[in-house]
Amino acid sequence: AQTVTQSQPEMSVQEAETVTLSCTYDTSENNYYLFWYKQPPSRQMILVIRQEAYKQQNATENRFSVNFQKAAKSFSLKISDSQLGDTAMYFCALILPFTQGGSEKLVFGKGTKLTVNP
Amino acid sequence: EAQVTQNPRYLITVTGKKLTVTCSQNMNHEYMSWYRQDPGLGLRQIYYSMNVEVTDKGDVPEGYKVSRKEKRNFPLILESPSPNQTSLYFCASSLKRGLLTTEAFFGQGTRLTVV
Repeated sequence: AQTVTQSQPEMSVQEAETVTLSCTYDTSENNYYLFWYKQPPSRQMILVIRQEAYKQQNATENRFSVNFQKAAKSFSLKISDSQLGDTAMYFCALILPFTQGGSEKLVFGKGTKLTVNP
Repeated sequence: EAQVTQNPRYLITVTGKKLTVTCSQNMNHEYMSWYRQDPGLGLRQIYYSMNVEVTDKGDVPEGYKVSRKEKRNFPLILESPSPNQTSLYFCASSLKRGLLTTEAFFGQGTRLTVV
């Protein structure tokens, strides 16, 4: 079974500093996507960044970047120059292709609550 | 604007009273699914649909029904709600490209309370 583990239930960071959220996952598949979703107090699920497993280059979106270590099955999110608006719950998620068994679904971690302090 | 729309956003109901949460997407996505979010558990899949008239159970389907008569709509039905179905529900849709799907687009969420 595929699992996603976020070992940090809560984290805090000072505004303008850098923070890294951890995520590890387990799958026997070789081809998959990994995502980080942000859920602010509004509850909306917002895609932050996406990584395709067959791409070695780490994905980057403005202040957000990932450190994807496929062999270690690790997918951490780095937020640079943290802003107050980054305060949210962050979920790591794994998705598998349709043809490689099981239902096509996102498998989510339990989330990390990030607070950015002024 | 591309979006997934859920209604209602908030719902308080009594045990046993049938209810439907609607979900509609305007992106022509084949794949739609329902998740529930509970504290400490993250999001778990309830049901999914790979296309019109094709639905299947996710990880926590007990107590729920779905239908997919049209591509854009995927309602979630609780025939006899119970308090353990009090949760935050999300509908999501995604586009399949080749063997992999793209990221899921989520609705705004429905906060359901069953008393």
